[in-house]
Amino acid sequence: EAQVTQNPRYLITVTGKKLTVTCSQNMNHEYMSWYRQDPGLGLRQIYYSMNVEVTDKGDVPEGYKVSRKEKRNFPLILESPSPNQTSLYFCASSLRGSRGYTFGSGTRLTVV
Amino acid sequence: SQELEQSPQSLIVQEGKNLTINCTSSKTLYGLYWYKQKYGEGLIFLMMLQKGGEEKSHEKITAKLDEKKQQSSLHITASQPSHAGIYLCGAGGTQGGSEKLVFGKGTKLTVNP
Repeated sequence: EAQVTQNPRYLITVTGKKLTVTCSQNMNHEYMSWYRQDPGLGLRQIYYSMNVEVTDKGDVPEGYKVSRKEKRNFPLILESPSPNQTSLYFCASSLRGSRGYTFGSGTRLTVV
Repeated sequence: SQELEQSPQSLIVQEGKNLTINCTSSKTLYGLYWYKQKYGEGLIFLMMLQKGGEEKSHEKITAKLDEKKQQSSLHITASQPSHAGIYLCGAGGTQGGSEKLVFGKGTKLTVNP
């Protein structure tokens, strides 16, 4: 089944403890992206990648890192999480020139 | 940067009623996407519009992009409880590509049986 898989679905962590949220797609999509969703602010793009080894900042990249070493994987790294990074995170992928992203099911992150 | 404003923010309708959700852009739209989200879950792609005046339908949902390509509407005919959720419009970059998609804040739809 064609899909975008994020792990974990739920995560509670403490301030400053490094964490990685994984994202994998099996559709051979070139584009991948990370979004966070917050009440009243909607979906905001964190980082996106147009292909392997090509990444660029979205609208809210501060406090996040990404890497794209393989086409199928696009992990989101929080080196030193803070409570303001508590949010619902979505990974998405898209075929070049296609009709929009396929989204993962989301990762609900709580930083205490 | 491009901003999308959706209206209304929330909508409560009785089952069987028609409804319309609007999405207005601060800049010309080169690619307009409509998604549906169940609470706390991922987004499901509904439709994409690119040309001024374009209209697409899927089951009881119709989306239109105006001629000036700055406003889109999503119309649901004879709403059902299964239509409940959050509807989001998204706009691609200047080339219409999906790599740098920005979203409106969403419209929460409740359909009462």
